[in-house]
Amino acid sequence: DAGVIQSPRHEVTEMGQEVTLRCKPISGHNSLFWYRQTMMRGLELLIYFNNNVPIDDSGMPEDRFSAKMPNASFSTLKIQPSEPRDSAVYFCASSRSGNSYNEQFFGPGTRLTVL
Amino acid sequence: DQQVKQNSPSLSVQEGRISILNCDYTNSMFDYFLWYKKYPAEGPTFLISISSIKDKNEDGRFTVFLNKSAKHLSLHIVPSQPGDSAVYFCAARVSGSARQLTFGSGTQLTVLP
Repeated sequence: DAGVIQSPRHEVTEMGQEVTLRCKPISGHNSLFWYRQTMMRGLELLIYFNNNVPIDDSGMPEDRFSAKMPNASFSTLKIQPSEPRDSAVYFCASSRSGNSYNEQFFGPGTRLTVL
Repeated sequence: DQQVKQNSPSLSVQEGRISILNCDYTNSMFDYFLWYKKYPAEGPTFLISISSIKDKNEDGRFTVFLNKSAKHLSLHIVPSQPGDSAVYFCAARVSGSARQLTFGSGTQLTVLP
């Protein structure tokens, strides 16, 4: 089975440009998470969706960040305009939902560099 | 304010010896704890977990210990192998929140041959 798929794997852009990161969760998983990894703060949860609906976006750092999940098999994280401090690795993860904890499966990440 | 802290950014251990990775937390509402392992250029993968009703969980070479009174957990790897070299993240879940995890900043483990 394919795991969580993220694209692109690497993105280099200039300050002020729009960046769109993409994620395809594992089929059958109905919870999707966007994380950001930095040296200083480790893995931070940005937003998560359940059944395509955003449940908690309190981790989204600024209004420049937005995320959508138009259907069960696709999600985007957009940064507009991008800034150098947005440089990080962005991970998407998915899981089955339910009353008990279900393991989150992570994608390989997108390494974003904003010059 | 980081609710899950991994105070050691790196750890080096000789092959065959024990690796002990530590994690402290501040939120008493956490009831489930996990360790994830991450290799370069890959996403984190689940390693082992423990519920707050237990104080130990073992899976092969990996054992997680939980000390609720000290709000401390640790991951023991014995014997350590060079393939264990990776970044290890501690994570915690708030009671009643089935999905959200709070991660620590990670510890880079290097197992020397």
